[in-house]
Amino acid sequence: DTGVSQDPRHKITKRGQNVTFRCDPISEHNRLYWYRQTLGQGPEFLTYFQNEAQLEKSRLLSDRFSAERPKGSFSTLEIQRTEQGDSAMYLCASSYPNIKLAVRQETQYFGPGTRLLVL
Amino acid sequence: DQQVKQNSPSLSVQEGRISILNCDYTNSMFDYFLWYKKYPAEGPTFLISISSIKDKNEDGRFTVFLNKSAKHLSLHIVPSQPGDSAVYFCAATEAFSGGSNYKLTFGKGTLLTVNP
Repeated sequence: DTGVSQDPRHKITKRGQNVTFRCDPISEHNRLYWYRQTLGQGPEFLTYFQNEAQLEKSRLLSDRFSAERPKGSFSTLEIQRTEQGDSAMYLCASSYPNIKLAVRQETQYFGPGTRLLVL
Repeated sequence: DQQVKQNSPSLSVQEGRISILNCDYTNSMFDYFLWYKKYPAEGPTFLISISSIKDKNEDGRFTVFLNKSAKHLSLHIVPSQPGDSAVYFCAATEAFSGGSNYKLTFGKGTLLTVNP
């Protein structure tokens, strides 16, 4: 079990450029989540996939943001026309529903994050 | 509207003593609670969780207590060690109609410093 991996770990870009981040979840996990964390705040939910289907998007995810998970394995998060306000840590997490529990609850495991700085 | 609140931005304790980190929530639909630990420049690491059907869960030095009537939970670390120094996040999820929790709602975190 190699855990959740994210690439790149750091990205510096100029305002107006496009950036793309990749997340590789834990191999048997069918759920994948993206969060964003800014300084002094906890992570905030952006979007969620079950297998290849994107099932939920936060209002934080403006039209400049798009996420995909084409084969139900890795996921990409693209930000178009970046703005300085997009500077943040972008976190990916994955989980697998524990259907053996009487109450279906699951733990999300996070990757190391991609720190984005928009100049 | 902050649905999960960690009102203490920081906490400092001596090595070997107990650390108590507190968390309050406002959404009565939350039914699963988790604590994560985060070092700078790393992602959150899962520590311990508790379902709303329980009031206590213990794992080694870590114990989480849940008081549903007060909408309050706490994380106890005994004994505290210098390696425990990190930011601790409280998070919560609510079951949706499909019967399985998904998105986490986080507090702002508490910076714990354990002094040798």
